[in-house]
Amino acid sequence: GENVEQHPSTLSVQEGDSAVIKCTYSDSASNYFPWYKQELGKRPQLIIDIRSNVGEKKDQRIAVTLNKTAKHFSLHITETQPEDSAVYFCAATPSGNTPLVFGKGTRLSVIA
Amino acid sequence: NAGVTQTPKFRILKIGQSMTLQCTQDMNHNYMYWYRQDPGMGLKLIYYSVGAGITDKGEVPNGYNVSRSTTEDFPLRLELAAPSQTSVYFCASSLQGGYGYTFGSGTRLTVV
Repeated sequence: GENVEQHPSTLSVQEGDSAVIKCTYSDSASNYFPWYKQELGKRPQLIIDIRSNVGEKKDQRIAVTLNKTAKHFSLHITETQPEDSAVYFCAATPSGNTPLVFGKGTRLSVIA
Repeated sequence: NAGVTQTPKFRILKIGQSMTLQCTQDMNHNYMYWYRQDPGMGLKLIYYSVGAGITDKGEVPNGYNVSRSTTEDFPLRLELAAPSQTSVYFCASSLQGGYGYTFGSGTRLTVV
């Protein structure tokens, strides 16, 4: 089955700097890669996703890139703000009928 | 439109006790899931359902049971609670498998 590895497990950045979180997946059939943000004590919420027919997707300060050949995808947050501090999870799924497999999460701290 | 509703929010169980975690969604989603979240371990799939009357095991199903008698409800049953089941449990639903999860607010369970 699918296996998703996520790095780093913790990340501290200064406010205004960029943050990058990387994930690798094992199943070459995976075709959907969402990212979730979980604030302390809250539920995970979808912030951006990408499908395998697209190499990059942006939404304001957030972008996701996908390299199908290398089987890895990354989350990029620019101009970080204190409210970006949270745990971020990547995930992957091989098909529309298969549940998401999540990475172990990255705790991002943005220092003001 | 309440989304995905989980009850209770918190519960303390004694070893060997049983309980049911409730999950209800009002979005007419076919797919429903139960994940558990342990610190630093991400979200691990316990059970999922692709529609009423259909359930399937995930990565960590031992010690749990589910049923899906209606589209709206997907309760998770813990029999003979053990300390290893101390965790935060999230229910989620989606219209299509793996895509566009909506999470409930979670149930924090402690087994002592």
